[in-house]
Amino acid sequence: EADIYQTPRYLVIGTGKKITLECSQTMGHDKMYWYQQDPGMELHLIHYSYGVNSTEKGDLSSESTVSRIRTEHFPLTLESARPSHTSQYLCATSRQLHETQYFGPGTRLLVL
Amino acid sequence: GDSVTQMEGPVTLSEEAFLTINCTYTATGYPSLFWYVQYPGEGLQLLLKATKADDKGSNKGFEATYRKETTSFHLEKGSVQVSDSAVYFCALKSGGYQKVTFGTGTKLQVIP
Repeated sequence: EADIYQTPRYLVIGTGKKITLECSQTMGHDKMYWYQQDPGMELHLIHYSYGVNSTEKGDLSSESTVSRIRTEHFPLTLESARPSHTSQYLCATSRQLHETQYFGPGTRLLVL
Repeated sequence: GDSVTQMEGPVTLSEEAFLTINCTYTATGYPSLFWYVQYPGEGLQLLLKATKADDKGSNKGFEATYRKETTSFHLEKGSVQVSDSAVYFCALKSGGYQKVTFGTGTKLQVIP
């Protein structure tokens, strides 16, 4: 069944830790995205990818980095987490760039 | 640049009431318009979309008509259910490689 998976679903960590949020998909889509959703619900695009070996920064400046070594995976890494990174992170895919997007369930991150 | 304005929430309705969530937009050219829904604890999912003026998108009893003259894409449902409680996002995508622009979301709570 075509789907988008995000792990972990919930994460509580201390300041300064390095973390990687995983996103994997069986949708068969080349285009993938990471959004940060703040407590007020607003979505901010932080990274996207056209396909393997392509990554682009989004609209919101982010201290995170991404990689796209395989079509199915688009992990997001924070080298040194801070309380300001506390948020929900949503991964999405699409068939065409920036067209109808399919979202994963999200990772809720709390940095203490 | 592109922008989406949707009515602020939360919107609280009784079961079987009529729902309208207003959405207006500013964009260049002829954008595609979307409504996404986010149920508690989940990612967003596409509810409906319209790609040209006067198109009506519909799904699960929800409808929205692309009104170019008023630059609007209001979401309506004739009789809401408790299970419709969620956050609703209006979004648009202009042509070419423009990114999707999301509204700030409107929380709907339906009480029995």
